Amino acid sequence: DVKVTQSSRYLVKRTGEKVFLECVQDMDHENMFWYRQDPGLGLRLIYFSYDVKMKEKGDIPEGYSVSREKKERFSLILESASTNQTSMYLCASSLLSAQGPPQHFGDGTRLSIL
Amino acid sequence: DQQVKQNSPSLSVQEGRISILNCDYTNSMFDYFLWYKKYPAEGPTFLISISSIKDKNEDGRFTVFLNKSAKHLSLHIVPSQPGDSAVYFCAASGGSNYKLTFGKGTLLTVNP
Repeated sequence: DVKVTQSSRYLVKRTGEKVFLECVQDMDHENMFWYRQDPGLGLRLIYFSYDVKMKEKGDIPEGYSVSREKKERFSLILESASTNQTSMYLCASSLLSAQGPPQHFGDGTRLSIL
Repeated sequence: DQQVKQNSPSLSVQEGRISILNCDYTNSMFDYFLWYKKYPAEGPTFLISISSIKDKNEDGRFTVFLNKSAKHLSLHIVPSQPGDSAVYFCAASGGSNYKLTFGKGTLLTVNP
């Protein structure tokens, strides 16, 4: 079974702080993704990566950056946290395939920015 | 511009009856569709998928139907069980693009 592990289930930070969210997968997947989930808005893609050191912007990249130094690890960085970044953050991974294979999700990090 | 739409925010059914969750899409490039289930405080889990070359895919109690001409898909759960109560997300991807575009979700409540 694929295991996607997010480092924290709950996190509370202050406005202006630099925040790191970590994600590790154990199935040698090429693709990794960061989403945020907000009530009434579903899952929105922030950034994704299809290889080490490669990254592409998703639909809502503003205020975020990512890092992928190793294949199994994908980090989401909030450069200067703001209250509108309070959300549930979900990491996912998948195999590289011609036809969108299922993405496997972690259990999420509920981030509160005060 | 919402490319994947789940127009029903919630659905309530009785245990043992059929649950039908609907999803519409606008992007003609989408050719692969997935359904995910999400319980509170957990990540979404993959349920079932369908390629655009098919119009039906079945896995146990779950069946997904695809109507390409109408750009519509539906998930049927028969029989519904209380443990099926969760938020269901429809998702789509196109061509070699492995990005998924998600709908906003439908909260299914199955009453005992």
